[in-house]
Amino acid sequence: AQTVTQSQPEMSVQEAETVTLSCTYDTSESDYYLFWYKQPPSRQMILVIRQEAYKQQNATENRFSVNFQKAAKSFSLKISDSQLGDAAMYFCAYVHPPQGGSEKLVFGKGTKLTVNP
Amino acid sequence: DSGVTQTPKHLITATGQRVTLRCSPRSGDLSVYWYQQSLDQGLQFLIQYYNGEERAKGNILERFSAQQFPDLHSELNLSSLELGDSALYFCASRKILAGVDTDTQYFGPGTRLTVL
Repeated sequence: AQTVTQSQPEMSVQEAETVTLSCTYDTSESDYYLFWYKQPPSRQMILVIRQEAYKQQNATENRFSVNFQKAAKSFSLKISDSQLGDAAMYFCAYVHPPQGGSEKLVFGKGTKLTVNP
Repeated sequence: DSGVTQTPKHLITATGQRVTLRCSPRSGDLSVYWYQQSLDQGLQFLIQYYNGEERAKGNILERFSAQQFPDLHSELNLSSLELGDSALYFCASRKILAGVDTDTQYFGPGTRLTVL
């Protein structure tokens, strides 16, 4: 079974600084997708960034970028120029494209990010 | 705003009761997913529907059931409620088109269920 591990229950960063959140996953599949979702205090699950496993290039969305290491099964999220609004729970998630099977997202347990002014 | 709507936002009920949670997917999304977020279990997949038919089941209790209607909205029914069913229930939707498969699930705001 696929598993996703976020080893940092909590992280903190100073406003305007850079922080990296770690995620590792376990799968025997070669084709899959990885995501980072943000959950602010409002509890809404917001997509931050996605990465296709077949792409070697790391995904980037404005201040958010990933470091995808397929061989190491590692998928870290880097937040640059951190803002107060970045404070939230961040969840790493995995999905294996369906071929008659489940398309469920498998989530890590999350990392709580605090941004200090 | 993801375009996925869920009602109600909050639900408070007693043990043994039955409730229905409703989800409307984004326009054009055929697939609906239900997830449960609790403090001890984290985010767990419950069930998926695609164009009205059940496609996958996860850790869904027998007391729980779901369906997807012809207009593609979905309902999650929880019965014989227990204290441990208190959680945030999310619905997500995904666009699946013939020949094109987009993999991203977009989440609704969730329904917070409190069982007293």
